[in-house]
Amino acid sequence: DIQMTQSPSTLSASVGDRVTITCRASQSISNWLAWYQQKPGKAPKLLIYKASSLESGVPSRFSGSGSGTEFTLTISSLQPYDFATYYCQQYHTYSLTFGQGTKVEIK
Amino acid sequence: EVQLLESGGGLVQPGGSLRLSCAVSGFTFSTHAMNWVRQAPGKGPEWVSGIGYSGGNTYYSDSVKGRFTISRDNSKNTLYLQMNSLRVEDTAVYYCAKPLVGATKIFESWGQGTLVTVSS
Repeated sequence: DIQMTQSPSTLSASVGDRVTITCRASQSISNWLAWYQQKPGKAPKLLIYKASSLESGVPSRFSGSGSGTEFTLTISSLQPYDFATYYCQQYHTYSLTFGQGTKVEIK
Repeated sequence: EVQLLESGGGLVQPGGSLRLSCAVSGFTFSTHAMNWVRQAPGKGPEWVSGIGYSGGNTYYSDSVKGRFTISRDNSKNTLYLQMNSLRVEDTAVYYCAKPLVGATKIFESWGQGTLVTVSS
């Protein structure tokens, strides 16, 4: 299976900050990568797919980049409702795998 | 509005069986692949199984292959997951997930989840 490693595991930030989360794949996955946001007690929500395509309805302050083995999710100006846990997911192979998550906390 | 409603979770002893169901509405179920994704307490999501729109193609993670069976009834708009030989490590919230149109492996819509607890 392709292993997905996110960093950092926890991130403390303030409203208005620019935030970047990194996801690394154990082998090349081209641009077959998605990002999800999850709040406590809720199902994950799709934010970005194909590394940089914004899902319909997702605010433009969210952006994704990267290809091959290294990817980033950027929130350009953190808002109060963005405090959550973020996961990357590869879909290069059908043994789909997720990262372990990055929790964005209030500083 | 897309709705996915899982049911069938509960407490089961190791070695036991459970059958999960996911009733869907708000989209044409018979034209979409579907998936099951689980999440153990305090952990990230883990993909479990996927099935093609007709049920002819099925896919499983190595951790459940040979123990779990995914199926669907397009006449009832319902997805199933038969779970046998359950282990303590199968304890998780189980979600059914509808993929993005044209992309069977990206999860656009999720149910609220059903909790499966495997414990003696």
